[in-house]
Amino acid sequence: SAVISQKPSRDICQRGTSLTIQCQVDSQVTMMFWYRQQPGQSLTLIATANQGSEATYESGFVIDKFPISRPNLTFSTLTVSNMSPEDSSIYLCSVELVRFDEQFFGPGTRLTVL
Amino acid sequence: QKEVEQNSGPLSVPEGAIASLNCTYSDRGSQSFFWYRQYSGKSPELIMSIYSNGDKEDGRFTAQLNKASQYVSLLIRDSQPSDSATYLCAVNTNAGKSTFGDGTTLTVKP
Repeated sequence: SAVISQKPSRDICQRGTSLTIQCQVDSQVTMMFWYRQQPGQSLTLIATANQGSEATYESGFVIDKFPISRPNLTFSTLTVSNMSPEDSSIYLCSVELVRFDEQFFGPGTRLTVL
Repeated sequence: QKEVEQNSGPLSVPEGAIASLNCTYSDRGSQSFFWYRQYSGKSPELIMSIYSNGDKEDGRFTAQLNKASQYVSLLIRDSQPSDSATYLCAVNTNAGKSTFGDGTTLTVKP
């Protein structure tokens, strides 16, 4: 498995501002993902963070709203831009180890937008 | 039709009983199947992975896969109150991404 940390663990933000979430892994991994989980719901994949190239976004998510950086094989950031209350959610990063596609999740960032 | 469907729950079983969680998927080309456990307020934790038809056992947990029926299940034997959580089924498609079901909430009553 991998040890994954996220910062911040939670934040309360004002409408119209932006928040950058950091994800750090203790080993080099090829695949990193960003998910959103709204209260009482399952996981929705936002994008795949690609090292050295632009992230691959899922339908309904765009780079202007959720810019992602992946400068190396152990770190990624997700920015939630121009936030509205609808962005209130838990944001999770995950990594996929080379072996057998298993994913491991970070502890999550609980975001509340007022 | 959702790509990954789970029985809606919530599911309640008495302590010591067998809990049975079910999942169906739509992509016949799917190759990897996972069960995650998520405690309230925590992130998902991988508990089982299965890649070929049949049963895979790990302690009190057994995953069952039937690719012909596009069905994967998780059995929890001798259920404990500590097993109370939401269980997420995930399927890896040929696109290499995991699609998650909506989850089934299990409550084990002492």
